[in-house]
Amino acid sequence: GESVGLHLPTLSVQEGDNSIINCAYSNSASDYFIWYKQESGKGPQFIIDIRSNMDKRQGQRVTVLLNKTVKHLSLQIAATQPGDSAVYFCAENYFYGKLTFGQGTILTVHP
Amino acid sequence: GAVVSQHPSRVICKSGTSVKIECRSLDFQATTMFWYRQFPKQSLMLMATSNEGSKATYEQGVEKDKFLINHASLTLSTLTVTSAHPEDSSFYICSARDLTGRELFFGSGTQLSVL
Repeated sequence: GESVGLHLPTLSVQEGDNSIINCAYSNSASDYFIWYKQESGKGPQFIIDIRSNMDKRQGQRVTVLLNKTVKHLSLQIAATQPGDSAVYFCAENYFYGKLTFGQGTILTVHP
Repeated sequence: GAVVSQHPSRVICKSGTSVKIECRSLDFQATTMFWYRQFPKQSLMLMATSNEGSKATYEQGVEKDKFLINHASLTLSTLTVTSAHPEDSSFYICSARDLTGRELFFGSGTQLSVL
């Protein structure tokens, strides 16, 4: 299940399940959004991106949905694997400016 | 894909000393680099934007005299934590934007521990 702790919210799933990670962004003028995966002690790793003129984009096992009306992003991971366990961050960007990161979600995949 | 090299990956220093962290774009030129700070189980917080050949732009609340940023070339930016204190202990991450402006690449981060 999903819970909100003192810092990052957590999501625990079983291997093979689909995972959905949500993110609320702050700037209605943001035109580019990115999902990153961060493993312990490492820098963020690009997963998938989407521009504001789209509402859905699919990659390999991942799908990003964008709802500009409510300023919401989601990342769907199909057939989640133990190697997907990490912290996931959404980030928003306005006109190639600075990237602002969202809160992040800790995903734990149980074998 | 493009590579951003960040060095050192881990550093331990005594309180009062200064520490320099390097961020290099290895196979592309970057007019803009960003420096982030991350505390355990928290998100990345932008500290400053570094532009080649000009002064860095610091985010509100970040002390520019404490966190010195130099971006002397299109492939290198440095962050120097001056007179480090234990509360400066954190994970520092750089990122570099390529010349097209569209791509952003991250370094692997530097874990700073101040004793």
